[in-house]
Amino acid sequence: GAVVSQHPSWVICKSGTSVKIECRSLDFQATTMFWYRQFPKQSLMLMATSNEGSKATYEQGVEKDKFLINHASLTLSTLTVTSAHPEDSSFYICSAYQGASGTEAFFGQGTRLTVV
Amino acid sequence: GQNIDQPTEMTATEGAIVQINCTYQTSGFNGLFWYQQHAGEAPTFLSYNVLDGLEEKGRFSSFLSRSKGYSYLLLKELQMKDSASYLCAVTSGNAGKSTFGDGTTLTVKP
Repeated sequence: GAVVSQHPSWVICKSGTSVKIECRSLDFQATTMFWYRQFPKQSLMLMATSNEGSKATYEQGVEKDKFLINHASLTLSTLTVTSAHPEDSSFYICSAYQGASGTEAFFGQGTRLTVV
Repeated sequence: GQNIDQPTEMTATEGAIVQINCTYQTSGFNGLFWYQQHAGEAPTFLSYNVLDGLEEKGRFSSFLSRSKGYSYLLLKELQMKDSASYLCAVTSGNAGKSTFGDGTTLTVKP
């Protein structure tokens, strides 16, 4: 399958600071990238859908000013958690989609964010 | 909206067969994924069903009935390493957007 690289794998930051997470499709162009969040022992919850060159579409209850998403190219999307707080500590995962109907989206490795 | 149900936990014995069910209610159904996720890791793709029927891939098989809104993942010859969470995800529309069920935690015992 295609490779999606997510960086960093884990990060610890102080409360009030911002953290940027990158999601790259290494061997294909992703028309759409999805950002998910997963709290311990819970399933993946979609946060936002990111299309190259346009504004992200956020799911209900997700603060767009707090979770900034940029999809500047067909191979890179970034999620910035601004003014992080301990309750933002979670596992963040991206997936990248090539755009052909009926095919899967490929997941990155995930980023474990801990806010102290 | 979408409603996806799967059992929270299941336990099975090494070498046995286990079936994990998933029922869903959704509009604009496109396909259904099954993923395996070990603790602390990202999900890994197992199967994708679009049409009705059974698809077999080694020890794992997945079944879909679109009319019934029902799918199952069948794991044969269980191994200890199969202990993981199994996520059912429904894709709607043509943009690859998936909605996940809460996952089924499978524990394989000796």
